[in-house]
Amino acid sequence: GNSVTQMEGPVTLSEEAFLTINCTYTATGYPSLFWYVQYPGEGLQLLLKATKADDKGSNKGFEATYRKETTSFHLEKGSVQVSDSAVYFCALRGGGNKLTFGTGTQLKVEL
Amino acid sequence: DTAVSQTPKYLVTQMGNDKSIKCEQNLGHDTMYWYKQDSKKFLKIMFSYNNKELIINETVPNRFSPKSPDKAHLNLHINSLELGDSAVYFCASSQNPGELFFGEGSRLTVL
Repeated sequence: GNSVTQMEGPVTLSEEAFLTINCTYTATGYPSLFWYVQYPGEGLQLLLKATKADDKGSNKGFEATYRKETTSFHLEKGSVQVSDSAVYFCALRGGGNKLTFGTGTQLKVEL
Repeated sequence: DTAVSQTPKYLVTQMGNDKSIKCEQNLGHDTMYWYKQDSKKFLKIMFSYNNKELIINETVPNRFSPKSPDKAHLNLHINSLELGDSAVYFCASSQNPGELFFGEGSRLTVL
């Protein structure tokens, strides 16, 4: 079956540091890949997506590239802000409407 | 206007009771979902409806019964509540597969 593995958190960074949150997946066929973000007390929001190999999704300074050869979709941001503190979820869609989520990685950004 | 709204936001109840959570979306989406998020932030899909028709029904106790009176509404009724049902329940909707819009969640506490 499909599965998503994310790095354990929490990840604690200083403001303006570089962020990487690792995500790898197992799936048959050619899944679509997503990153969602959950701010405290809120529901998840779609951050970015990529639907085929070598696609790069980007939004709000965050980027992730769909790497089929390494089955990865790592999230990166060049300079994090305190307002980026949240839980980040990697997810894949193999077919149909079902999304498989990773376990989430909490990011804390300090001044 | 809230795109996906759930009520109630908080629910505290005793074991054995029956409770319902309501969800409405004003985005015109065809597909709606219920997800359960546990205390470790793990997200698990429970149900999905497309135009009032059940399309995803994961391994969920039959004490949980979804109902979709129309494509803008998806309610969740839970019978005979147990301690392990304590979680945050998220409603979501989508028009494009994988691109979900989540509500703010309903935190259920079973005492």
